[in-house]
Amino acid sequence: RKEVEQDPGPFNVPEGATVAFNCTYSNSASQSFFWYRQDCRKEPKLLMSVYSSGNEDGRFTAQLNRASQYISLLIRDSKLSDSATYLCVVKGYSGGGADGLTFGKGTHLIIQP
Amino acid sequence: DTGVSQDPRHKITKRGQNVTFRCDPISEHNRLYWYRQTLGQGPEFLTYFQNEAQLEKSRLLSDRFSAERPKGSFSTLEIQRTEQGDSAMYLCASSDSTNTGELFFGEGSRLTVL
Repeated sequence: RKEVEQDPGPFNVPEGATVAFNCTYSNSASQSFFWYRQDCRKEPKLLMSVYSSGNEDGRFTAQLNRASQYISLLIRDSKLSDSATYLCVVKGYSGGGADGLTFGKGTHLIIQP
Repeated sequence: DTGVSQDPRHKITKRGQNVTFRCDPISEHNRLYWYRQTLGQGPEFLTYFQNEAQLEKSRLLSDRFSAERPKGSFSTLEIQRTEQGDSAMYLCASSDSTNTGELFFGEGSRLTVL
């Protein structure tokens, strides 16, 4: 089983729709979780952290389920500018550096007009 | 621009040649990371520095790869005797010591080995 697994997509979603995708992680000792966003041919950037109680940032909601070892990202009222690859990131897994950041392969999202 | 900068942005080389990439992190950041990313994959960790000390290296980092951060500021990543499998985007990132999990990435150095 891979350390961090995501459905690579692509997810083709009409503008204004709600889209959700999940990520599973294999190490139950993982400490922290994040979603990064990567635009085509650009560098990854932090989108949001994922807290145990779930958290929301505008149209974006992230949730964590430690028992099932998955995190989710929900995007409401999707915009064309949301088209990007969303990387699931887990901290506290060996081999990721002192911050232990291990990246998933990413989920490719395409918002269609 | 006070972000992470990398140079060169693109490098095309022939198999067997040596290449060197440079990374200038955000000035107040003491942590510096090198990642490698290939098409359709997420970034894969290569190595990590805290100040000038190289604290961790991935098993992905073969003996042909060496990284330095001599004065705790900029870093270089050298690949000796390049192979076609080394073709990838090499990403540098930096962070401070607050351990929030936020890495600030540079735009990357794309390597093509012919």
